[in-house]
Amino acid sequence: EAQVTQNPRYLITVTGKKLTVTCSQNMNHEYMSWYRQDPGLGLRQIYYSMNVEVTDKGDVPEGYKVSRKEKRNFPLILESPSPNQTSLYFCATLGGTEQYFGPGTRLTVT
Amino acid sequence: AQSVAQPEDQVNVAEGNPLTVKCTYSVSGNPYLFWYVQYPNRGLQFLLKYITGDNLVKGSYGFEAEFNKSQTSFHLKKPSALVSDSALYFCAVILTSGNTPLVFGKGTRLSVIA
Repeated sequence: EAQVTQNPRYLITVTGKKLTVTCSQNMNHEYMSWYRQDPGLGLRQIYYSMNVEVTDKGDVPEGYKVSRKEKRNFPLILESPSPNQTSLYFCATLGGTEQYFGPGTRLTVT
Repeated sequence: AQSVAQPEDQVNVAEGNPLTVKCTYSVSGNPYLFWYVQYPNRGLQFLLKYITGDNLVKGSYGFEAEFNKSQTSFHLKKPSALVSDSALYFCAVILTSGNTPLVFGKGTRLSVIA
């Protein structure tokens, strides 16, 4: 079964404490991306990756890092989280014209 | 750069009536167009896409969308709305060249009233 998994699904943390949200896919897709969803703003792309070791900034990359050391994984790293990064985060892959989304990670930064 | 506009934040429709959720796009090349739906506390689910061919695309749950190149629109439609269609709907576009990210609209909340 085609799947995109994210962990954790829910996370409450404090300002400045580094965290990583993992994303893994089993479809061998080259393209992966991270979005954040905020009320009234829709989904905004944070970073995307066309292939291993190739990453590019999306619309809202500030405060985030990513890495793509292997095709299946695309972790999102918040080195020093701040309250304005409280959001719902989605990882996604694109295979041809089909995009698959993970279940989402709800992050709260206090 | 490509962009997507969903001009309505909220659409209200009575159950059994036809519904339309509007989407217009702006791209410098040929687009692939998508509709996704998000139910409360859930991720995004694919509804339908336009790649090429027939301008009227049929998708999941009885939804369809019409690609109109001259008006750069891709409105989502359903002949008879159900209460269970109430959700957040997103339109998205990607260039056919494939080397650009998928861009989403801000979403339209559909409420179907019994």
